[in-house]
Amino acid sequence: QITLKESGPTLVKPTQTLTLTCTFSGFSLSTRGVGVGWIRQPPGKALEWLALIYWDDDKRYSPSLKSRLTITKDTSRNQVVLTMTNMDPVDTATYYCAHRKESNGGYDLWSLDYWGQGTLVTVSS
Amino acid sequence: DIVMTQSPDSLTVSLGERATINCKSSQSLLYSSNNKNYLTWYQQKPGQPPKLLIYWASSRESGVPDRFSGSGSGTDFTLTISSLQAEDVAVYYCQQYHTTPHTFGQGTKLEIK
Repeated sequence: QITLKESGPTLVKPTQTLTLTCTFSGFSLSTRGVGVGWIRQPPGKALEWLALIYWDDDKRYSPSLKSRLTITKDTSRNQVVLTMTNMDPVDTATYYCAHRKESNGGYDLWSLDYWGQGTLVTVSS
Repeated sequence: DIVMTQSPDSLTVSLGERATINCKSSQSLLYSSNNKNYLTWYQQKPGQPPKLLIYWASSRESGVPDRFSGSGSGTDFTLTISSLQAEDVAVYYCQQYHTTPHTFGQGTKLEIK
């Protein structure tokens, strides 16, 4: 059974750095083909893709946020960490981590089949 | 970035009727090397994370009722709910994973008439 859970501060001040941790179970990020993504959703708005990390530590970022984002993994702890610097009120959102669906045939499938419940981060002074 | 545009923004359908949601991408999502369309659909109910419905544009995720189907190729895609049930009230999103960033559509809110 795959589960993911996001954790981190619920309130950050403008200009601060946000650190979110995704703790998962039911899979290993050292297994070939496995990946985890981060997505956010401002209140009442659409989903926004942020970043992903592969089992081999390859990483991809949203170009519009790339200078502010870092994604890392700790395989031994079954965690993926996302940091976002220079937080602004427009970054107020629910942040989700999600598991990459396994792909039969080795194709680069990046549908997300298991999601955490999300964590609401408010940016305010 | 590939821009994903859904239509309509909201949709009201009677129980038992068909619901159709469209998704258009600014670039083709079809890889000729494997003939797959890199397009997925999610359902999101209030207060919940998204739920995967469809991947590769038309493959239904395990456990998803067969009234949900996906179709289309290239730049034009459709999610169809053949006979709307009360529990299908949600916001539906398409997402492309052809190229990072894996952009989402703006969402389509589906309600019961």
